[in-house]
Amino acid sequence: GAVVSQHPSRVICKSGTSVKIECRSLDFQATTMFWYRQFPKQSLMLMATSNEGSKATYEQGVEKDKFLINHASLTLSTLTVTSAHPEDSSFYICSARVPDRSTNEKLFFGSGTQLSVL
Amino acid sequence: GDSVTQMEGPVTLSEEAFLTINCTYTATGYPSLFWYVQYPGEGLQLLLKATKADDKGSNKGFEATYRKETTSFHLEKGSVQVSDSAVYFCALGSGGYQKVTFGTGTKLQVIP
Repeated sequence: GAVVSQHPSRVICKSGTSVKIECRSLDFQATTMFWYRQFPKQSLMLMATSNEGSKATYEQGVEKDKFLINHASLTLSTLTVTSAHPEDSSFYICSARVPDRSTNEKLFFGSGTQLSVL
Repeated sequence: GDSVTQMEGPVTLSEEAFLTINCTYTATGYPSLFWYVQYPGEGLQLLLKATKADDKGSNKGFEATYRKETTSFHLEKGSVQVSDSAVYFCALGSGGYQKVTFGTGTKLQVIP
């Protein structure tokens, strides 16, 4: 099946710094990518939908100035956590949708990034 | 809004034991239902799905039946293996393929 590569898998940073997470579709072109976050013992929550060449659509309650999403090409979307604080520590995971009209089974997920802000 | 509730883990079973992971959902309309699996160090993978009431999804010995009357989609396997150790996520999809709502995930550990 299709492969989505997410990097890094784990990052530790100091409070106030920015962290960039990359999500690449390796063998297909993804016009749409999704970013999720998960707190311990909670559900994966959709943060935003990233569309190639246009602005991301953020879910209610997600700060777009804090979580910058760039989808500049059909194979790469990035999530930048700006001025990270300890409360941003979480597990972030991306998924990419194969650009056809099939069902949700055409979503492919990255392996996730565990962010720890000290 | 849409929501998915699944049993908390971790679940620890001996090899060849019977597995059930409960999942219930709340949704408007007629969502599709999914089970995803995440093996250590890997991304989520679709395990099985069902798109309408009474459908049974199955794959790799796992099964789940879409029960509209009880709003449930419980995952079952008759005989688990060590290689089944992973985190299992129940999910529903609504609005076409635009949004997927996940449960909290259930970690399964199978011991020899």
